[in-house]
Amino acid sequence: DVKVTQSSRYLVKRTGEKVFLECVQDMDHENMFWYRQDPGLGLRLIYFSYDVKMKEKGDIPEGYSVSREKKERFSLILESASTNQTSMYLCASSLEITSGSHYTDTQYFGPGTRLTVL
Amino acid sequence: KNEVEQSPQNLTAQEGEFITINCSYSVGISALHWLQQHPGGGIVSLFMLSSGKKKHGRLIATINIQEKHSSLHITASHPRDSAVYICAVYMYSGGGADGLTFGKGTHLIIQP
Repeated sequence: DVKVTQSSRYLVKRTGEKVFLECVQDMDHENMFWYRQDPGLGLRLIYFSYDVKMKEKGDIPEGYSVSREKKERFSLILESASTNQTSMYLCASSLEITSGSHYTDTQYFGPGTRLTVL
Repeated sequence: KNEVEQSPQNLTAQEGEFITINCSYSVGISALHWLQQHPGGGIVSLFMLSSGKKKHGRLIATINIQEKHSSLHITASHPRDSAVYICAVYMYSGGGADGLTFGKGTHLIIQP
């Protein structure tokens, strides 16, 4: 079974603190993603990475950065946490399978980290 | 950017009823996912499909590529099916993973 783990289930930080959220997957997946989930807004992509050292901005990258030094680990960094970054953060990984013009991908999600910024 | 619409937003039904959740999207896609999220936040991938129909237990997912529409059906619904069901579409651009575009979810409650 694919396992995606996140460093914390619950986290409380103060405004202005630097926050690190860690995600580790054990299936040698190339692609990893960070999302945040807020009521009424659904899941929104923050950043993704399709290889070590590669990173791409998603829909809402402002206020965040990421690091992918090893294939199995994708870190989300809040440089200076703010109260509007209070949210559920979900990490996912996936393996691309391309057959001709047909492309398939299944994302596997971690359990989530509920971050509260006071 | 793909627009993903789900309906209904909220659904309450009695145990045993046949449930249908709909998902429509605006741009051609490579694949569509149905996800299930239980209270507490854990997300499980139910199906990934790019054509036709898939069945797993009491769950059936169908997709109509021409109509840009997918449905998730639950037969003989049970209270443990109560969850948020999320539709997500994936468009492969050839330059690497672009992630998914998500619907806002359908909150399903099955009453005993």
